[in-house]
Order: sequence, then structure tokens, then C-alpha cells
Amino acid sequence: QVQLQESGPGLVKPSQTLSLTCSVSGGSINSGVYSWSWIRQPAGKGLEWIGRVYPSGSTNYNPSLKSRVTISVDTSKNQFSLRLSSVTAADTAVYYCARERFGQLLEQRSYYHFYYMDVWGKGTTVTVSS
Amino acid sequence: SYELTQPPSVSVSPGQTARITCSGIALPGQYGYWYQQKPGQAPVLVIYKDNERPSGIPERVSGSRSGTTVTLTISGVQAEDEADYYCQSTDSSGTVAFGGGTKLTVL
Repeated sequence: QVQLQESGPGLVKPSQTLSLTCSVSGGSINSGVYSWSWIRQPAGKGLEWIGRVYPSGSTNYNPSLKSRVTISVDTSKNQFSLRLSSVTAADTAVYYCARERFGQLLEQRSYYHFYYMDVWGKGTTVTVSS
Repeated sequence: SYELTQPPSVSVSPGQTARITCSGIALPGQYGYWYQQKPGQAPVLVIYKDNERPSGIPERVSGSRSGTTVTLTISGVQAEDEADYYCQSTDSSGTVAFGGGTKLTVL
């Protein structure tokens, strides 16, 4: 069974860069049908998708965070990482990493990509405070 | 931005049927997905591709779709089903969107 584990500092100062790593065990990160995502959840609020990385290193980001986000992958270590720059208190949240199943759907003679998260890490709390 | 709309709360008595809707799924070409989240825990996928159940999810949990609205149905609700439920889909650029979440209360 694939398991994911987030790690990184639990406290980050405002204006600094938040850095987290997700370690994947029980399976290879280098799979053709999975991408790897970060999602966050402020206390008492809903889920927000941050972005994804493919084993090739290609990325997609949430447009609302794109200017501050970098997600990278290290296939040799079976890990992927999140960096979020210029953080403020609004970035305080539980951060989850997840395995994302993706594929293609042919409909009305066009192909559409679909994505969903089938395995999640337990999450790590990051607080932005001086 | 891509928005999915869910009711903030649904309440049912044990043994009854709970239905949670999610509107705004894009057409054509996108599916709806559902996650269950209990307090202090990570979300768990309970329905994928509108109506498919992952292994380990009981048969009383089902999904359906009508147009741009997907519905999560839990039959014979039990106390253990009390949780937050989130729908999810994707826009044409691959950006993932979540609904605001629905708190299911078992009376």
C-alpha cells in the first residue's frame, strides 16, 4: 500500500519561504498514471488545491498561487516538494500531499484530462507567525 | 475561476438516506469526485468518476450525476458517517476545484 508522509518546519516567519517534502513509500513515484499534488486546508475551512508535479518534472499550479509556488520532484529519493514564497498569516493551514490519478476521457470528439486524489498523507500543520 | 457549490450542512436520522449535491461540474468532459473527512483526519476518496466506489467503501455509499450536478447518496446512514464531505472536479486547464464542503450531521 502506498503511503505518503509530509515533513518540514511547523513554524515559518512572515515573508519567508515555506518548504515541505512528501516522502512516498510502498510504491514508486515514477509511475505513468500518477501525478503528485499538494492541497491545503486552513483551520475550520475547506480544501484548496495548490498544484501538481509529474514524474517528468512538469508542473501545474493553481492560478491563485502560481506566482509564489514551486513544486519539484526527486525520483531518486521517491519524494516531491513544495515551496511557497512570501508567506503571510493567510498561508497558515494543514498541508496535505496526495497521489493524483490522471487520465483522458474522449467526449464529443475531444480529449479531456481528469484528475483525482486517491491516496493522501496525514497532513502537517504550518503556522506563519513572527 | 471554477466554482463548485455544495450545501453547508445536511442532517439526517440514523437509518435514513442522506443526499449531498454539488453543482457546477463542467461539461463536457469532466467527472465529479467525493471525499469524506472526519475531524483531525485527512480526506478519503469515497466516489470517483461520478459513481465508482473505491475498494473498501461500503455499497450504501453511491454517486450519481444529472447534467452539471453530482449527488452523493448515503443509504442507511450510521453514526460513523458523520463527517465533512467535499466534491471535486477539474477545469479544462487541469486546475482542481473543490466544493466548499458539506457537514453531515447524524441526529
